[in-house]
Amino acid sequence: SQKIEQNSEALNIQEGKTATLTCNYTNYSPAYLQWYRQDPGRGPVFLLLIRENEKEKRKERLKVTFDTTLKQSLFHITASQPADSATYLCALDLSSSNTGKLIFGQGTTLQVKP
Amino acid sequence: GAVVSQHPSWVICKSGTSVKIECRSLDFQATTMFWYRQFPKQSLMLMATSNEGSKATYEQGVEKDKFLINHASLTLSTLTVTSAHPEDSSFYICSAPRGGRGEAFFGQGTRLTVV
Repeated sequence: SQKIEQNSEALNIQEGKTATLTCNYTNYSPAYLQWYRQDPGRGPVFLLLIRENEKEKRKERLKVTFDTTLKQSLFHITASQPADSATYLCALDLSSSNTGKLIFGQGTTLQVKP
Repeated sequence: GAVVSQHPSWVICKSGTSVKIECRSLDFQATTMFWYRQFPKQSLMLMATSNEGSKATYEQGVEKDKFLINHASLTLSTLTVTSAHPEDSSFYICSAPRGGRGEAFFGQGTRLTVV
């Protein structure tokens, strides 16, 4: 069965540093990979989507890479701020037609200390 | 931007009663919506796909008679937890995709506590 793993439950970094989160998947060949942010007691918020033919995608201080050979995505937050503290989830679409039916990793909780 | 509204944000109910949770897409039509459940410190687990005008599709292990889903219009899906028990206490979240690429917009979630 498809499986997604985010290889650290928690990540603590100092303000201003770059946070790097990892997402690995098996038994799947997704056309897209997505990253979401979730704050406590709230629903996830979409951040970035990267296609299988894209190596890298950027949005402001966020950068995502996608290596379909390694079956891995890296999510970077540069110049991190305490407001970036949250749980970050990677997700794959389970459908062949990208309907939004998602399977999520377990998430990495990022804590940015001032 | 696209907004999905979920109501109520939290609910406490007695064991054996039923609870209805609403999920609305506010500025777009959603023929498909998804319902997830999230236990503390765990990720979202897909429960079912809500299809406008037809029956919902449930994931393996999810009891369709316990979690009733109705998608009566292009902007509203409801999840009813029937005969709730304490083990049904969880955070329930709906989503609706938009844009044809699968990115999903999530509701704010409903914290259900069954006492």
